[in-house]
Amino acid sequence: NAGVTQTPKFQVLKTGQSMTLQCAQDMNHNSMYWYRQDPGMGLRLIYYSASEGTTDKGEVPNGYNVSRLNKREFSLRLESAAPSQTSVYFCASSEYYYGQGGYTFGSGTRLTVV
Amino acid sequence: DAKTTQPTSMDCAEGRAANLPCNHSTISGNEYVYWYRQIHSQGPQYIIHGLKNNETNEMASLIITEDRKSSTLILPHATLRDTAVYYCIGSNQGGKLIFGQGTELSVKP
Repeated sequence: NAGVTQTPKFQVLKTGQSMTLQCAQDMNHNSMYWYRQDPGMGLRLIYYSASEGTTDKGEVPNGYNVSRLNKREFSLRLESAAPSQTSVYFCASSEYYYGQGGYTFGSGTRLTVV
Repeated sequence: DAKTTQPTSMDCAEGRAANLPCNHSTISGNEYVYWYRQIHSQGPQYIIHGLKNNETNEMASLIITEDRKSSTLILPHATLRDTAVYYCIGSNQGGKLIFGQGTELSVKP
């Protein structure tokens, strides 16, 4: 099993460009999450999807949109990238939102906006 | 979700037990204590979680005080590969994981 797969691993964007970060999990998990991590800081929750068909804002949702395409896939879109969105983005999944399980994280997408 | 307080950094000798403390004095009765770690540049890795009782798995042990205001993660025989940032998180069953700054553990030969 691959677990949580994120694509791309690295990306450089110009200010104002748009892009979509892809995330897929093969563990039949119900809940999925997007976090960002800035240098020297902890992870901050951007958006999450407690179950297929639902999405909700986290701590820092401004400038982002998400789509829970199906149970496996949860994408994060930057409509007009800004230098402040330079960060490492992590996707995670868990079996249940209302439950005791741990999260499984992907290996991250390193995004630079110039 | 409970606010947690951890030391910024700790050192541990290779082969010795690493004891990482966490204060969560505002934790409520239905909130679990989760521990994750993040090795440099990688995604966080789940370690263990507990509610009231002490827990042990193949990676670590979690000791929770009777009043649930603090806990300790124990890595029984630390190796160089355990060098990482360790996060203690309080979260109820309906809550999201909110990460703090964590403890940077350095295991030294």
